[in-house]
Amino acid sequence: DADVTQTPRNRITKTGKRIMLECSQTKGHDRMYWYRQDPGLGLRLIYYSFDVKDINKGEISDGYSVSRQAQAKFSLSLESAIPNQTALYFCATSDVGEKLFFGSGTQLSVL
Amino acid sequence: QKEVEQDPGPLSVPEGAIVSLNCTYSNSAFQYFMWYRQYSRKGPELLMYTYSSGNKEDGRFTAQVDKSSKYISLFIRDSQPSDSATYLCATAGGYNKLIFGAGTRLAVHP
Repeated sequence: DADVTQTPRNRITKTGKRIMLECSQTKGHDRMYWYRQDPGLGLRLIYYSFDVKDINKGEISDGYSVSRQAQAKFSLSLESAIPNQTALYFCATSDVGEKLFFGSGTQLSVL
Repeated sequence: QKEVEQDPGPLSVPEGAIVSLNCTYSNSAFQYFMWYRQYSRKGPELLMYTYSSGNKEDGRFTAQVDKSSKYISLFIRDSQPSDSATYLCATAGGYNKLIFGAGTRLAVHP
């Protein structure tokens, strides 16, 4: 079984819809992250959480929100999806160091 | 100027070739340097991790950091078709806030 599981793997939605991407982990790590990946731009940090009571904005948090429901669960919401949020989204975890462990990603398309 | 610059490629080489992948970074405070490998439709996986300057070798892979020129390299010896992937460099000054390069797509053909 995967250590970092993301659901769904693919999602197509329409402009203005609210959607949630979910992430769960079995690695026992306190730190969790959401990144988006766009061609030519690499991975950019959206939000990160160092423990259940800690939520921090990353480089590109506008239009997104997150919820850390438990140590193992971290969800990303798009309140009103827009086409330029079409991207590949990754959840990641880490221990106290800088080594990240990524899920397999969610490909999101906003029409 | 991006904090981490990486040539996106694509880079195409024959099997057995030595591959050199490179990044430059702008912030001299960065101390942690990583290379991630990403196969198609998969998440990145950590390949190499180095702290400060110097070389680190792991099998066919060598990571090199030159802090004086702010240059990060990954060398792959005896490249194999299974090495075909996108390689992302990453660096950080601390607090787990990695900054990634855009990634270089590598294709190793038999």
